[in-house]
Amino acid sequence: DVKVTQSSRYLVKRTGEKVFLECVQDMDHENMFWYRQDPGLGLRLIYFSYDVKMKEKGDIPEGYSVSREKKERFSLILESASTNQTSMYLCASRQRVAGGGTDTQYFGPGTRLTVL
Amino acid sequence: AQSVSQHNHHVILSEAASLELGCNYSYGGTVNLFWYVQYPGQHLQLLLKYFSGDPLVKGIKGFEAEFIKSKFSFNLRKPSVQWSDTAEYFCAVNGDAGNMLTFGGGTRLMVKP
Repeated sequence: DVKVTQSSRYLVKRTGEKVFLECVQDMDHENMFWYRQDPGLGLRLIYFSYDVKMKEKGDIPEGYSVSREKKERFSLILESASTNQTSMYLCASRQRVAGGGTDTQYFGPGTRLTVL
Repeated sequence: AQSVSQHNHHVILSEAASLELGCNYSYGGTVNLFWYVQYPGQHLQLLLKYFSGDPLVKGIKGFEAEFIKSKFSFNLRKPSVQWSDTAEYFCAVNGDAGNMLTFGGGTRLMVKP
């Protein structure tokens, strides 16, 4: 079974703080993703990493950065947290498909971040 | 750019009722389609997926979905829902073998016992 874990289930931070969200997967997947989930908006992709040290912006990268130094770990960084970044953050991983294409993404439990 | 619409935001059914959740996407090329489910307090998990072949796809827990290319739709169905199907359901699309999934806004299903 694929396991994707996230460092915290709940996090409360103050405006302006630097926030790190960590995600670890144990299935040697090349691809990892960070999404935010908001009611009525579904999941929106923040950043995507297709391999170590590789990253690509998703639909809503503003205010976020990422780091992928090791294959199993993908970090999301909020350089200066703001109240509009209060949300549920989901990490996912996926095996790379030869020749491009897609396959099932496996999700972590989520981190509910509140920025005061 | 691809987009996904789920028209029903909230659905309330009684046990044994039939379920159909709508999903429409906008993308003109080849698509891969997914339905994910999030049970209360649990991870988002795959319910079923369509890549090619038979447009009627069967998933876990008695769910199925039909890909109708001419209607750009991938509706989710279950003939008889149970209380344990209470969850949020997300449709997602990936176009032209690209890397990124686009999700719909989700449908919250509540099944009354």
